[in-house]
Amino acid sequence: EIVMTQSPATLSVSPGERATLSCRASQSVSSNLAWYQQKPGQAPRLLISGASTRATGIPARFSGSGSGTEFTLTISSLQSEDFAVYYCQQYNIWPPLFGGGSKVEIK
Amino acid sequence: EVQLVESGGGLVQPGGSLRLSCAASGFTFSTYAMTWVRQAPGKGLEWVSTISGNGGATYHADSVKGRFSISRDNPRNTLYLQMNSLGAEDTAVYYCAHNLVTGDFFDYWGQGILVTVSS
Repeated sequence: EIVMTQSPATLSVSPGERATLSCRASQSVSSNLAWYQQKPGQAPRLLISGASTRATGIPARFSGSGSGTEFTLTISSLQSEDFAVYYCQQYNIWPPLFGGGSKVEIK
Repeated sequence: EVQLVESGGGLVQPGGSLRLSCAASGFTFSTYAMTWVRQAPGKGLEWVSTISGNGGATYHADSVKGRFSISRDNPRNTLYLQMNSLGAEDTAVYYCAHNLVTGDFFDYWGQGILVTVSS
């Protein structure tokens, strides 16, 4: 059974700084990895699919990289609206599985 | 514009049943797989059930298999989740989500509906 592990659980960052979030799969998921952003009281929003393809309307400061078992979501310069919880999800192996999430909070 | 609007949630006693609905608009409903994802209070996201575009194939998480049933009414552009034998562990916000294909990522989400199982 595949396991998706996200780190860190919480990241404290100042506005304007870079944030780097990690997602690790216990076995290869190729590039079938998505990232979502969720703000309190809201539904998740798709940011990235295919490990590195931004969804429609997602700002360029969000970028995804990696393949196989190691993936990274980078937010190049954090804006106030970016403080949220971020989830990765693999869709290479059935069933689809989410990571536990990483919270980006204001430092 | 794609819109997904859930309804049918609320408070239900342990052992009870509830049916959630998700009204879809802004896309050709019958073309796409649809999924239910849930989120327990303060917890992460959990895939629950997926149904193919024509309704011919359904998939359920082990945690709900035998208790929950996903279905769809394509002429009415509506997705359903019939939930039976509910327990406290089923308390969560339930989201319907749009897939490009079965087993894919989720590009559109509803706003979510809260289901609380409590006596």
